[in-house]
Amino acid sequence: GAVVSQHPSWVICKSGTSVKIECRSLDFQATTMFWYRQFPKQSLMLMATSNEGSKATYEQGVEKDKFLINHASLTLSTLTVTSAHPEDSSFYICRGSNSRGAEQFFGPGTRLTVL
Amino acid sequence: GENVEQHPSTLSVQEGDSAVIKCTYSDSASNYFPWYKQELGKGPQLIIDIRSNVGEKKDQRIAVTLNKTAKHFSLHITETQPEDSAVYFCAASTANFNKFYFGSGTKLNVKP
Repeated sequence: GAVVSQHPSWVICKSGTSVKIECRSLDFQATTMFWYRQFPKQSLMLMATSNEGSKATYEQGVEKDKFLINHASLTLSTLTVTSAHPEDSSFYICRGSNSRGAEQFFGPGTRLTVL
Repeated sequence: GENVEQHPSTLSVQEGDSAVIKCTYSDSASNYFPWYKQELGKGPQLIIDIRSNVGEKKDQRIAVTLNKTAKHFSLHITETQPEDSAVYFCAASTANFNKFYFGSGTKLNVKP
């Protein structure tokens, strides 16, 4: 079946640095990528939706200048956490969807720890 | 917007027993309802889904029921096994599969 991969699976960084998380769809064209954040023992919170070649649409309360999303190809989307702070420590998960919505797959997630 | 509520938040069952997790939704336009299993440190895995044109769907030990009138849907796991232990999330979405609104999750513990 279709697979969505994320890289890295776990990253630790110092406060103030930027971290890039990659999300790849391996055997289907992800025309839409969704980025979620999940805090411990909580549900998934949608951060933004990006369509290939377009600017991302951010959910209310999510800073677009802090969480930069790029979706330049049908198989790759990236989330860059700029000037990361300890409160940005979380589990970040992407979900890829093809144009018909028939393929919906989550990535394995990236654990970000900001010291 | 859509509001999905999920109960219970934790569920402990003995191996071999059945487990039922319930969700309600508020938006009558929602017509796609997936269930996800999430193991510790991993992304959610789709285990079963149902669309609003059917009332029940089964896949081996897992079944989902949907009551559109009452706006609730449930996950049923029979003959539970220790490997079923995980956090389960329900979600609701509209036809364009754009936004998925997730429930708060149920931590299922199957005791051997």
